[in-house]
Amino acid sequence: DGGITQSPKYLFRKEGQNVTLSCEQNLNHDAMYWYRQDPGQGLRLIYYSQIVNDFQKGDIAEGYSVSREKKESFPLTVTSAQKNPTAFYLCASRDTPTNSYNEQFFGPGTRLTVL
Amino acid sequence: DAKTTQPPSMDCAEGRAANLPCNHSTISGNEYVYWYRQIHSQGPQYIIHGLKNNETNEMASLIITEDRKSSTLILPHATLRDTAVYYCIVRVAGGGSNYKLTFGKGTLLTVNP
Repeated sequence: DGGITQSPKYLFRKEGQNVTLSCEQNLNHDAMYWYRQDPGQGLRLIYYSQIVNDFQKGDIAEGYSVSREKKESFPLTVTSAQKNPTAFYLCASRDTPTNSYNEQFFGPGTRLTVL
Repeated sequence: DAKTTQPPSMDCAEGRAANLPCNHSTISGNEYVYWYRQIHSQGPQYIIHGLKNNETNEMASLIITEDRKSSTLILPHATLRDTAVYYCIVRVAGGGSNYKLTFGKGTLLTVNP
């Protein structure tokens, strides 16, 4: 089945530790995105990548880093510089940016709790 | 991007139609209306989108007013599994800098038995 996978679903880390969240897609999509969602809030864009080996900062990139070495993978690292890392993290992908509409497919999310 | 306004919550009886409104009075001519929903602790799911004509698919119908300043998402026969937060988003289509969807707080639809 085609889709987006995120692992793990729940993640616990101690304060001050870096942690990497996995996102893999087999939809052959060029564009991938990372969002953060806090309780009762909408989604906020952290980073996005429109093509392999290229990525741009979103609205709240401070304290995060990404890489896009392969088309199907877009891991997100939450560094110790992120002041409030506890949140629900969502990865999404989209077909080529030149499509006439903008449907994004989302993964199931990773809930990160920093203790 | 045009901003959208949605009621924070709505209730609907199971089996009845759920009509979710969205105001987007500052929408521009090349902006589409998209609807996504998010069931608790899951990723958002695309529902439907439209430009100016009404649209229907297997999940829902989208009614856009003639002046395009508001729209309504209709779930014709709501089930308990339709309980979710529904997001109305307005965005241009195409490539280039069209890189994200801006999700607000949405409408929490609760379908009651």
